[in-house]
Amino acid sequence: EPEVTQTPSHQVTQMGQEVILRCVPISNHLYFYWYRQILGQKVEFLVSFYNNEISEKSEIFDDQFSVERPDGSNFTLKIRSTKLEDSAMYFCASSRDTYEQYFGPGTRLTVT
Amino acid sequence: EDKVVQSPLSLVVHEGDTVTLNCSYEVTNFRSLLWYKQEKKAPTFLFMLTSSGIEKKSGRLSSILDKKELSSILNITATQTGDSAIYLCAVGNNNDMRFGAGTRLTVKP
Repeated sequence: EPEVTQTPSHQVTQMGQEVILRCVPISNHLYFYWYRQILGQKVEFLVSFYNNEISEKSEIFDDQFSVERPDGSNFTLKIRSTKLEDSAMYFCASSRDTYEQYFGPGTRLTVT
Repeated sequence: EDKVVQSPLSLVVHEGDTVTLNCSYEVTNFRSLLWYKQEKKAPTFLFMLTSSGIEKKSGRLSSILDKKELSSILNITATQTGDSAIYLCAVGNNNDMRFGAGTRLTVKP
């Protein structure tokens, strides 16, 4: 069964560094999303992406964040200058339409 | 402001019990309500509901949406220890999905 994959599973970085989190969505899906979940808190929407552009973003998704689909398979989330409060689990999700979303296993980002 | 509220926040039952989890929402441009199960890591998809009054069923789990009451319930019958997880309700509008805080279900043997 096709699934969303994410790499790395765990990333440790120092405050101020740039990180890129990678996702490979399910191949015939057209809509892509990033979510984050701070430990012990709820899942929060960051951004949705369709047709090579951002279709919606939350107030969390400020200028420090960017997304890209550099080729036909990868979908990346970049954080330009990480802060301690960026430490969270980041989930990528994809969907064929704007309904059911399937989540990847997540990348745990730890900012020290 | 859009919001999704789940109740209870936490529930402890014994194997064999039946549980009902609640989700209520206030979201502009509602399109769908989804239930997810979150164990160790990523949420896994359970149900998607778009129409009121139509029950979705999968084994011991079932769910129904009430658009008039802006709510949904998730039922689990004959609970097992493997049902222990956080159950997340998410409501989708045109472009994003807003999650509730989840209900932590613990099923004791």
